[in-house]
Amino acid sequence: KNQVEQSPQSLIILEGKNCTLQCNYTVSPFSNLRWYKQDTGRGPVSLTIMTFSENTKSNGRYTATLDADTKQSSLHITASQLSDSASYICVVSPPNYGGSQGNLIFGKGTKLSVKP
Amino acid sequence: DAGITQSPRHKVTETGTPVTLRCHQTENHRYMYWYRQDPGHGLRLIHYSYGVKDTDKGEVSDGYSVSRSKTEDFLLTLESATSSQTSVYFCAISESVTANSPLHFGNGTRLTVT
Repeated sequence: KNQVEQSPQSLIILEGKNCTLQCNYTVSPFSNLRWYKQDTGRGPVSLTIMTFSENTKSNGRYTATLDADTKQSSLHITASQLSDSASYICVVSPPNYGGSQGNLIFGKGTKLSVKP
Repeated sequence: DAGITQSPRHKVTETGTPVTLRCHQTENHRYMYWYRQDPGHGLRLIHYSYGVKDTDKGEVSDGYSVSRSKTEDFLLTLESATSSQTSVYFCAISESVTANSPLHFGNGTRLTVT
C-alpha cells in the first residue's frame, strides 16, 4: 500500500533556531511531492511542489529537498519565527490518471511549536 | 488566500439528520474536492469534481453524496449523519491537474454529530 510517513510527530524549538522535518514515502513511481503548512483552525497552504526530477525547492525560509533514490524528503526551516508554529504536511502524488488530483496521498503531519 | 468560502464553519447535528456543506469559489477553477481530516489520519478524499455535473468518488465516499450545478459551488451532503462522520471537512480547488498545480484549501467546516 502506498504510504507517506512523517517524523517527528511533534517538535518544539526556540525562536530563531533551525529545524528539519522528515517525510518517507513508499509511493513508486510518483509524479510530485508537496509540502503544506496548516495553521490551527485553517486549511493547508502550499509551501513547495517538487517533481520527481527536482532535488530542492525553496520558498523564503522554507527549503524542501527530495532524494528519489531513498524515497525521502525533508523540509528545512531557517531562523524560525513564532508564526511558523503549525502542522506541516507531506503529500505525494502517484502518476496522474483519470484527469484529476484525486489520488494524492497525505501524511499525518508534523506539529511544530516555536517558543519565544 | 484563494477565494474559497466554506459554510457553515461549525455545525452540530443529531444522528440520522441530513446535512449539507457548501463550498463556494471565486477563482473559476475547474477541479473541486472534498476532504475530511481526523486525528491520526492524513487528509482523506471523499469526492471530487472535474467539471459542472462531473463528479467521482474518493477513498471514503460511503455515506456522502455531492453535487456541482455551477462552476463555483460544490455541495457535500450527508444523507443521514452518523457519529463516525464527526470530522473537519475541507474543500479544495485546483486550476489544473498538471504536476505543478497546487491545491488551494478552504478553512474547513467542523461538524459534530451527536
